[in-house]
Amino acid sequence: GDQVEQSPSALSLHEGTSSALRCNFTTTTRSVQWFRQNSRGSLINLFYLASGTKENGRLKSAFDSKELYSTLHIRDAQLEDSGTYFCAAEVPNYNVLYFGSGTKLTVEP
Amino acid sequence: GPKVLQIPSHQIIDMGQMVTLNCDPVSNHLYFYWYKQILGQQMEFLVNFYNGKVMEKSKLFKDQFSVERPDGSYFTLKIQPTALEDSAVYFCASSPGPGDTQYFGPGTRLLVL
Repeated sequence: GDQVEQSPSALSLHEGTSSALRCNFTTTTRSVQWFRQNSRGSLINLFYLASGTKENGRLKSAFDSKELYSTLHIRDAQLEDSGTYFCAAEVPNYNVLYFGSGTKLTVEP
Repeated sequence: GPKVLQIPSHQIIDMGQMVTLNCDPVSNHLYFYWYKQILGQQMEFLVNFYNGKVMEKSKLFKDQFSVERPDGSYFTLKIQPTALEDSAVYFCASSPGPGDTQYFGPGTRLLVL
């Protein structure tokens, strides 16, 4: 909803290149989750962050709760990274995830 | 990772009928959620549920919607009666506690004709 602004809406990368996705939050956010939605529609958990950074293979995510943004870096993109990436913010006291509008990533040979 | 199951994967029904969507959450999780995603649009929160009660619900959670988890069985979302605008993919999620990582099921694709 309005709580999360995600960019870009679409991204095309060649194999082996790198890029970053970003989510800005318009309200205090306790934690952020990043997901990849595959072609079958399933949501795959990538990261959960309450602060700081986390890294998993070629993916790295950061969350700045003071500046109200989170990033997802994709390094050395592979074909299987294609999909739609969503960030989701958890607002304190509500136990609800507010999703961004998604970034459709296409990795090309 | 932890698995949330949803049954059925697809459902087609006529407008006005009742439908029940079933979710089998992760076994030791205490918090359960339903989200709705209309084709091509973003995911939107419907409701969360803890200790047999609805804790939070959004404006999308109409009076025709209800949730329950009788005796630790499936966590269900019932829509009665259904409307055309209820066509969407419904995702169930669960988490161990409030504010913890939410794990999502594969979704139930509901088409109301």
